Amino acid sequence: GEDVEQSLFLSVREGDSSVINCTYTDSSSTYLYWYKQEPGAGLQLLTYIFSNMDMKQDQRLTVLLNKKDKHLSLRIADTQTGDSAIYFCAERGLNTGNQFYFGTGTSLTVIP
Amino acid sequence: EPEVTQTPSHQVTQMGQEVILRCVPISNHLYFYWYRQILGQKVEFLVSFYNNEISEKSEIFDDQFSVERPDGSNFTLKIRSTKLEDSAMYFCASRGTDNSPLHFGNGTRLTVT
Repeated sequence: GEDVEQSLFLSVREGDSSVINCTYTDSSSTYLYWYKQEPGAGLQLLTYIFSNMDMKQDQRLTVLLNKKDKHLSLRIADTQTGDSAIYFCAERGLNTGNQFYFGTGTSLTVIP
Repeated sequence: EPEVTQTPSHQVTQMGQEVILRCVPISNHLYFYWYRQILGQKVEFLVSFYNNEISEKSEIFDDQFSVERPDGSNFTLKIRSTKLEDSAMYFCASRGTDNSPLHFGNGTRLTVT
């Protein structure tokens, strides 16, 4: 299957920006997603981007896509303690059929 | 907003028993999935289901597992002869059109003792 990689941990101070990075291997990747998982809960869709875009902004969230380097990032502006969670990157490509491939998740800790 | 619902939220079973995990996908969705997440590990694809049949399955999804859509609303995952290593969170997900993202339920935590 395809590989999606993320760093495991990130700590930021409340009010700072957080940047969570993701790399993937699927050259046919068409859709890329960010999900948030709070303790004991399911995966909540935050935002997604089509591969013909290089940026998408949605309130405090900015997604940047570098398709050449197969690199996706999620920037959270003015990070709040409620943003502490695990963030998963996922991708789906033309070669992966119905499958969505998920990264290991990045655990974001926001320090008050 | 419509959501995917899963029951039970926590299931404890003894090794060797059979369990059925239940899901009600979003009502107008067409594609249904099961994923699992062993504690601290990746979210792993198990199976996808479309048009009343399995469309894809991973190598994890062997003969121990089966899925069913017994009526117009439920989507179930049956695990036969459970093993200790089946302990995990099991997530159901669904999506509408071919281009739409996955929407997940809150998961069922399965503990095999």
